[in-house]
Amino acid sequence: SQELEQSPQSLIVQEGKNLTINCTSSKTLYGLYWYKQKYGEGLIFLMMLQKGGEEKSHEKITAKLDEKKQQSSLHITASQPSHAGIYLCGADISPGAQKLVFGQGTRLTINP
Amino acid sequence: NAGVTQTPKFQVLKTGQSMTLQCAQDMNHEYMSWYRQDPGMGLRLIHYSVGAGITDQGEVPNGYNVSRSTTEDFPLRLLSAAPSQTSVYFCASRTSGRTDTQYFGPGTRLTVL
Repeated sequence: SQELEQSPQSLIVQEGKNLTINCTSSKTLYGLYWYKQKYGEGLIFLMMLQKGGEEKSHEKITAKLDEKKQQSSLHITASQPSHAGIYLCGADISPGAQKLVFGQGTRLTINP
Repeated sequence: NAGVTQTPKFQVLKTGQSMTLQCAQDMNHEYMSWYRQDPGMGLRLIHYSVGAGITDQGEVPNGYNVSRSTTEDFPLRLLSAAPSQTSVYFCASRTSGRTDTQYFGPGTRLTVL
């Protein structure tokens, strides 16, 4: 979606390093979702953020929502090979929660 | 619960052929959507539905038709397939509240020759 921009589009990091993926919306965010996709497979839900300043963590993955900047970041601490895949952010950009649009994805590679 | 199911998993069509991608969910979700995923493009919304009998267009609706006669089913129809429709198609469903996540099916990989 042109309404959601992810950066970077591709990321290669060494195992054990930290990394951050950003998702920026050109429209008001009514909800922000992070998904992970293994190559050639379906989407796995990671986290959902709704309120400005909200921060959630799951294992070594933390996501934050900056409502004023209309931006979310996904941070992985001490990356592992299991973190490799495509990370997608999705957002509700309509007040009625009717359409969930997605960014173009970030392809993450973890080198041993 | 089976969640969101899609059939077929793989399909090869010739240009001009028609077909229907099936999607069903058993979670009594009001909202259902169809997305396509192309390399480097993330997911793009094709059509969505907020309930039985109600559908609307997403970002890339051209070449696709949908209908929603029941809460459970949301088929996607390609009336005359084109090579540009070669993609992976995902169906998704969610409840009407924004507090719930969207659940995705396993996808259908379509190739149009």
